[in-house]
Amino acid sequence: DAGVIQSPRHEVTEMGQEVTLRCKPISGHNSLFWYRQTMMRGLELLIYFNNNVPIDDSGMPEDRFSAKMPNASFSTLKIQPSEPRDSAVYFCASSLGDLSYNEQFFGPGTRLTVL
Amino acid sequence: KNQVEQSPQSLIILEGKNCTLQCNYTVSPFSNLRWYKQDTGRGPVSLTIMTFSENTKSNGRYTATLDADTKQSSLHITASQLSDSASYICVVTLYSGGGADGLTFGKGTHLIIQP
Repeated sequence: DAGVIQSPRHEVTEMGQEVTLRCKPISGHNSLFWYRQTMMRGLELLIYFNNNVPIDDSGMPEDRFSAKMPNASFSTLKIQPSEPRDSAVYFCASSLGDLSYNEQFFGPGTRLTVL
Repeated sequence: KNQVEQSPQSLIILEGKNCTLQCNYTVSPFSNLRWYKQDTGRGPVSLTIMTFSENTKSNGRYTATLDADTKQSSLHITASQLSDSASYICVVTLYSGGGADGLTFGKGTHLIIQP
């Protein structure tokens, strides 16, 4: 299996622009997670989906952030408009099962820089 | 407030030596505790997952211990190798298992193995 696939790997954009990050989970996994990692705050869970349904998005920082999972093999995280403080590494992870006791497999991450 | 504190923040040891990383948490009620290894520029990789009823779990040269009474966990690395140089992150899951509050992350321990 190719593992969790994320694109792009690097994104540099200007403040105010829309940014879309993409994720393909491991085939057969039914949970998908979006994380953000910064030096100051460490890893943070933004949102997670189970069977394509958003279970809890309380980790999403603001209305500027939105996530969708139109099918079992694809998810997007969108930031509109982007701000410099959104600069971080964004990880997508997937697992077979829910949050409770299932190993999560992380993608390589997207490094976002907002100028 | 649910918190996960890791120590030390950083550690440098010589190749071949053993080391122990600490994780103290206040998360309650507790479901499980995970240790991740994160190489520079890559996504975290799961090392161990333990429920409250498990005291020890091993993964090769990595051994995690858990004391649910004192809310402490440790990760012991035996006969360290250069490839062990990475950040090690402790993550604790709430018993309910749901929502962004369901996961509480430590800031990690940055380990450097010197030849």
